[in-house]
Amino acid sequence: DTGVSQNPRHKITKRGQNVTFRCDPISEHNRLYWYRQTLGQGPEFLTYFQNEAQLEKSRLLSDRFSAERPKGSFSTLEIQRTEQGDSAMYLCASSFQGAGPSSTDTQYFGPGTRLTVL
Amino acid sequence: GDSVTQMEGPVTLSEEAFLTINCTYTATGYPSLFWYVQYPGEGLQLLLKATKADDKGSNKGFEATYRKETTSFHLEKGSVQVSDSAVYFCALYSSASKIIFGSGTRLSIRP
Repeated sequence: DTGVSQNPRHKITKRGQNVTFRCDPISEHNRLYWYRQTLGQGPEFLTYFQNEAQLEKSRLLSDRFSAERPKGSFSTLEIQRTEQGDSAMYLCASSFQGAGPSSTDTQYFGPGTRLTVL
Repeated sequence: GDSVTQMEGPVTLSEEAFLTINCTYTATGYPSLFWYVQYPGEGLQLLLKATKADDKGSNKGFEATYRKETTSFHLEKGSVQVSDSAVYFCALYSSASKIIFGSGTRLSIRP
């Protein structure tokens, strides 16, 4: 399977605990995105990387959230001191942007990590 | 800022009925437009896209035409099947390199 993968698929935690999610993009993709989706809503952009550089962060991304993409491959999203309002589906997507015909604005999504904060 | 407004659901149809899900957008310039679908228990999948005015995206019997004059990208299918039951999201590619999604329309098809 060469799609975007995310782990874990489900995470239940208690308020105040830290959690970390992992995303493995499609191997040739240089851009990686994180989105958050709450029940009954469309996904909302959180942040994105081009290779290892984090180029944009949404105002939704409070200082309790941090994302990394070391070496420009997989990415992790950490939430510190979780709150009940953090309960959501966290989606990762990837795309290839660059010169040439293979560049595209189409993003391919992983299955998501569903976080429940008790 | 950029935004997408789509028809609220849920939408319930009988099998073989004609489907339209309305979508309009507000954006700077002429962004690429998408329809994504989320089947029960699965992740978001790209259904179709259009990159410029008057383009028609199509896939699996679904179609949508990029209408610049009405800033719309309505999704249509001539004869729906039970297997089309899912949540459908209209979206645009923002100039800020992110995708802006509508709130989704839940579609249920009765046998």
